[in-house]
Amino acid sequence: DGGITQSPKYLFRKEGQNVTLSCEQNLNHDAMYWYRQDPGQGLRLIYYSQIVNDFQKGDIAEGYSVSREKKESFPLTVTSAQKNPTAFYLCASSRGFAYNSPLHFGNGTRLTVT
Amino acid sequence: DQQVKQNSPSLSVQEGRISILNCDYTNSMFDYFLWYKKYPAEGPTFLISISSIKDKNEDGRFTVFLNKSAKHLSLHIVPSQPGDSAVYFCAAITDAGKSTFGDGTTLTVKP
Repeated sequence: DGGITQSPKYLFRKEGQNVTLSCEQNLNHDAMYWYRQDPGQGLRLIYYSQIVNDFQKGDIAEGYSVSREKKESFPLTVTSAQKNPTAFYLCASSRGFAYNSPLHFGNGTRLTVT
Repeated sequence: DQQVKQNSPSLSVQEGRISILNCDYTNSMFDYFLWYKKYPAEGPTFLISISSIKDKNEDGRFTVFLNKSAKHLSLHIVPSQPGDSAVYFCAAITDAGKSTFGDGTTLTVKP
């Protein structure tokens, strides 16, 4: 069954610690994305990657970092520099970085930093 | 400046009636529009889309209408079912490939 797997579902960290969120896809999609959702708000793009070993900043990249060493994997690190890290994080993929390519989402990771 | 706006945070309709969810945008460069549906604790799933060269696209109970001159699109669900209760996100894409999302509308369909 093809899809996107995000782990863990819930994550708790102390302020000042870096934390890495996992995202794996077996859809053979070229493009992958990270979004952040805050209560009552839409999805905001953090980073995206069109191909392996290449990625670009989205609208709210400050305090985050990513890597794309494999086509299937696009981990997101939330660093201590991110001022408001508590949020719901969604990973997505698409066949290509094309205007008519719908996103396929994972079920998200809820990160709580105290 | 928010480029995609869903001005109604919530909508409640009776089962069997029509649900109409609205979305406004400001960027005339948007080429493609999509609707996603999201249940609690899950990721959004793609529902239906429309190209900027069309004004209507239909898929079963779901129809999306696009009015380019008004920069407005709407999603019609007929007939509405309790299982349709979810958050609906409108998204727009430029030819550069980046998606911009609205804040979502929570639809509640009452039995």
